[in-house]
Amino acid sequence: KQEVTQIPAALSVPEGENLVLNCSFTDSAIYNLQWFRQDPGKGLTSLLLIQSSQREQTSGRLNASLDKSSGRSTLYIAASQPGDSATYLCAVSSGNTPLVFGKGTRLSVIA
Amino acid sequence: EPEVTQTPSHQVTQMGQEVILRCVPISNHLYFYWYRQILGQKVEFLVSFYNNEISEKSEIFDDQFSVERPDGSNFTLKIRSTKLEDSAMYFCASSEATYRGEAFFGQGTRLTVV
Repeated sequence: KQEVTQIPAALSVPEGENLVLNCSFTDSAIYNLQWFRQDPGKGLTSLLLIQSSQREQTSGRLNASLDKSSGRSTLYIAASQPGDSATYLCAVSSGNTPLVFGKGTRLSVIA
Repeated sequence: EPEVTQTPSHQVTQMGQEVILRCVPISNHLYFYWYRQILGQKVEFLVSFYNNEISEKSEIFDDQFSVERPDGSNFTLKIRSTKLEDSAMYFCASSEATYRGEAFFGQGTRLTVV
């Protein structure tokens, strides 16, 4: 059974800092991995999708990497801003199972 | 930009009552999903739906739950007899292709069972 773990659970950084969020998964036979952003009490906004054959994806200040063999992904956020404050969720798709989510990393960017 | 729309945004119901949560997926998407998130916990998969039938469901999705696509645009989740533990945020999602495709989520319906 696929399990997804995200470290750290919470992170607080000063504005302008670069940061890395970590995601690990137990079953490396995945189809893809998706990073989401969730604001308090809100829905999930898709940030990046990495197919299993890809190593990384970039969107603006965000860069996500995937090392399928070791069961790891990282989300790199460059030059963080207070508006980046949110919970970031990692989810993987594998087998016949739609997305399996981690618990998320709650990010606070302090102005 | 196309988006998944869910109604209502918040529903309060008494234990034992039936509720229907509604979703309008993105128009050219073929796969539809329901997930839920109990406060403070992970987002959990409930059910996926393709070609007018359930393609996958989790252990959570028992006989109290049902899904339907009553017309060409709506996708509904019905809970027949709500329990206190059904209180959660329910998310609808859709994707263009299979589970390999990027999933787009709605803003959620917060269900409170009292």
